[in-house]
Amino acid sequence: GAVVSQHPSWVICKSGTSVKIECRSLDFQATTMFWYRQFPKQSLMLMATSNEGSKATYEQGVEKDKFLINHASLTLSTLTVTSAHPEDSSFYICSARDPSGSGIEQFFGPGTRLTVL
Amino acid sequence: GQQLNQSPQSMFIQEGEDVSMNCTSSSIFNTWLWYKQEPGEGPVLLIALYKAGELTSNGRLTAQFGITRKDSFLNISASIPSDVGIYFCAGRDHSGGGADGLTFGKGTHLIIQP
Repeated sequence: GAVVSQHPSWVICKSGTSVKIECRSLDFQATTMFWYRQFPKQSLMLMATSNEGSKATYEQGVEKDKFLINHASLTLSTLTVTSAHPEDSSFYICSARDPSGSGIEQFFGPGTRLTVL
Repeated sequence: GQQLNQSPQSMFIQEGEDVSMNCTSSSIFNTWLWYKQEPGEGPVLLIALYKAGELTSNGRLTAQFGITRKDSFLNISASIPSDVGIYFCAGRDHSGGGADGLTFGKGTHLIIQP
């Protein structure tokens, strides 16, 4: 149980375009999902908390107008990187909390590698 | 914000050796988690710790939640080649709001020499 998927697994885009990344909980419903960013050989940094049916909560320094988050259902959250630039190239990973357990553990998706040319 | 200091940054060991890594924090956490990440993949949860002093095992892995709630260690016994990867500690302080996400250590890169 507690499987989280992401799509696409990798994407290459031109500078100035927008890219949408999907995060799905496959066998449980997640009222809360999280989006992280990981640069090469670095740790995961929390970008925002995605709440089903309400606005996302962004960490300090993360531009909410650039990283649009939508959590329209209990199994899907999307992250849209708007007007992407080369410095946005990174590994984006989502996670979801499975409420059937203690509700504390987060299970991570496989990540999406974004390369902006 | 909160920071986790994870050490060592990397370890070069022989197959069969035991491994120990730890994380310390400048502030208290109410939950400690240990994850393993392989190249190009998301982290996989290894062990979760919820109470100060708690010692939990998962096969050859053992982790403890420090009494002060500011530290945790992970031990791997009798390492095997598939243990290679990057191990991250992560803490959560349950303070609510945007702080429900995890704070990660910088990772320990485990390399096993034949």
